[in-house]
Amino acid sequence: QVQLTQSASEVKKPGASVKVSCEASGYTFTDYYLHWVRQAPGQGLEWMGRIRPDNGATDYAPKFQGRVTMTRDTSINTAYMEMSGLKTDDTAVYYCAKEYDVLTGYYPWGQGTLITVS
Amino acid sequence: QSALTQPASVSGSPGQSITISCSGTSRDVGYFKSVSWYQQHPGKVPTLIIYADDKRPSGVSDRLSGSKSGNTASLTISGLQPEDEADYYCSSSSSGSSNCVFGGGTKVTVL
Repeated sequence: QVQLTQSASEVKKPGASVKVSCEASGYTFTDYYLHWVRQAPGQGLEWMGRIRPDNGATDYAPKFQGRVTMTRDTSINTAYMEMSGLKTDDTAVYYCAKEYDVLTGYYPWGQGTLITVS
Repeated sequence: QSALTQPASVSGSPGQSITISCSGTSRDVGYFKSVSWYQQHPGKVPTLIIYADDKRPSGVSDRLSGSKSGNTASLTISGLQPEDEADYYCSSSSSGSSNCVFGGGTKVTVL
């Protein structure tokens, strides 16, 4: 079945960087955009950006431009989200999600990676 | 402040129907057929329940339906059941500065 498996939770100091991985299985990795969404404790969902796995093209939400880098390794069907200059309010669960249909829908989602900045 | 506007909470009794609105602009909700909806139970991963404005993925209950009029999308839950108590989020592709946007979420309470 289609599945996204994310890396484990991490605790980081303010100012540090973190890199979260998202391994895809059960479908052709290069055929669908991969999105990153975060959710701070008790808050709503926030779209961070997306990567097109076939050519590596990326789009970022203005809030994260310059601080987030999304990459992929097609040889191991894995996408990455790296965030630098971490602040305490970056504490959140970070999800990767596969685009379900052209420009609409995210399914499935990874299990989430809790990044705690403290 | 979220790009799409949803009511913070909606409630209903078992068996009733409720509707959650999702207001945007002509650059997102009203731009193309891309509104999606997600259900999230506490501590769980969001799950897709509606995509392309009004399509249901296989396995999603037909008690859930999506619609859109102009720049406002809606999610209707018919025959409300206790397991429908959850947070619901809308999302849309956008031609604005951010390619994708979410609503702030709506907490549905079954009385």
